Formats: sequence, C-alpha cells, structure tokens
Amino acid sequence: EVQLVESGGGLVQPGGSLRLSCAASGFTFSSYWMSWVRQAPGKGLEWVANIKQDGSEKYYVDSVKGRFTISRDNAKNSLYLQMNSLRAEDTAVYYCAHLEWLLFGSPYFDYWGQGTLVTVSS
Amino acid sequence: QSVLTQPPSVSAAPGQKVTISCSGSSSNIGNNYVSWYQQLPGTAPKLLIYDNNKRPSGIPDRFSGSKSGTSATLGITGLQTGDEADYYCGTWDSSLSLFGGGTKLTVL
Repeated sequence: EVQLVESGGGLVQPGGSLRLSCAASGFTFSSYWMSWVRQAPGKGLEWVANIKQDGSEKYYVDSVKGRFTISRDNAKNSLYLQMNSLRAEDTAVYYCAHLEWLLFGSPYFDYWGQGTLVTVSS
Repeated sequence: QSVLTQPPSVSAAPGQKVTISCSGSSSNIGNNYVSWYQQLPGTAPKLLIYDNNKRPSGIPDRFSGSKSGTSATLGITGLQTGDEADYYCGTWDSSLSLFGGGTKLTVL
C-alpha cells in the first residue's frame, strides 16, 4: 500500500523559513517523479513543484521560484520542500503527491498524502 | 485565476447526471491528457480519471471523462449524496503541472 506522510508544517513569521518532509512507502520511491501541491484555506489546488527520479530536473510554479527548493533523498525514501522568505500568501495545506507518468500519456497525481498545514503570520 | 477554467459550482438531484467542464488552450489540454480529482470535505484529493478517460482501480463506472480539442468533461451518473465534493481537472503544460479552479458539486 502506497503511503505518503508529510511533516514539518507549523506557524512561521513572514520572511521566515520552514522545511517540509514527506516519508514515502509502498512503492519504489527512486523510480518516480514526486510533487508538492498546496491548497490555501477555502481555495483550490495549486501545483507547487515537481522533481525527477534522480533529482536532475526540478520545476516550480512562478510564485515560489527563487524561494522554495524541492529535493529528495532516495536512500531515505523522502521528499522535501525548503521554503524561504515565506509570505502570508504561502499559507496553505501542503500535500506530497506521487506523480505517475505512463508511456505516451501525461503526468497525473495518483497518490496523495494527508497534508501538512503551513501558516505564515506575525 | 487558473489557466484551466471550470464552473464554480454545479448541482443536480440524487440519481441524476451531471457534467463538469474544463477549458484550456492548445498548449495545455490541446496537447496533453487530462486528469480529474475528487476532494471530499476535509480530505486529500483523490484521482478519479487519468489520460482523459481512464479510471483507476476502484473508481466506479458512474464516473467518466472525455476530451475534445482544448476542453475536457467529467461526467457523473446516478448521483449520490456521497458525491458532494470539489472536483478539479488537471493537465500538463511545458513541464509544468496545472489544475483548474475547481467545481463544487451539490447533490440536492
């Protein structure tokens, strides 16, 4: 059974930093792209970042470029999101998601964690 | 403002059918497959449809997907009160993932 368990959320002041973690199990972590998706309170889903199996390719939504860094440790089956220069508008539940990408298809998110809440406020 | 446009809300009676649209452009939906996600209140999203019209194991055939040009549609037949949720379309555009703004389904 695939499991994704996020941790590291909490309350942080504007301009501060936070590092989210996602512990993965139930699949061969090193064989898959992984992602972070967020959802502000009462709002829709917003994709944040994707990372390739070996970490050689990373993609970000424009609003977090230069502030957030996605990374992974395949030996520890773990995904991370380092968030710096946090703003009030970064307040959201952050989900870790498994990105499936079949031959001749387009990527989609087939497994999601339960999410971790990040609140940016003074 | 999402790049993929969905109606904010739809509603229908139990047992009826509803469709949810997702409109994009040639660079996203027009050249990529579409996925759909269901988010029940207070829970994480769940994959309903991938590659335009394929259902993962365990998703009932009451849920269907289609795509034409730069638009996609999610269909739900035999509506149940348990289908009340937010629904999101998703696709890909130049190595970036995209979501629609979401549609709230109310089963009257």
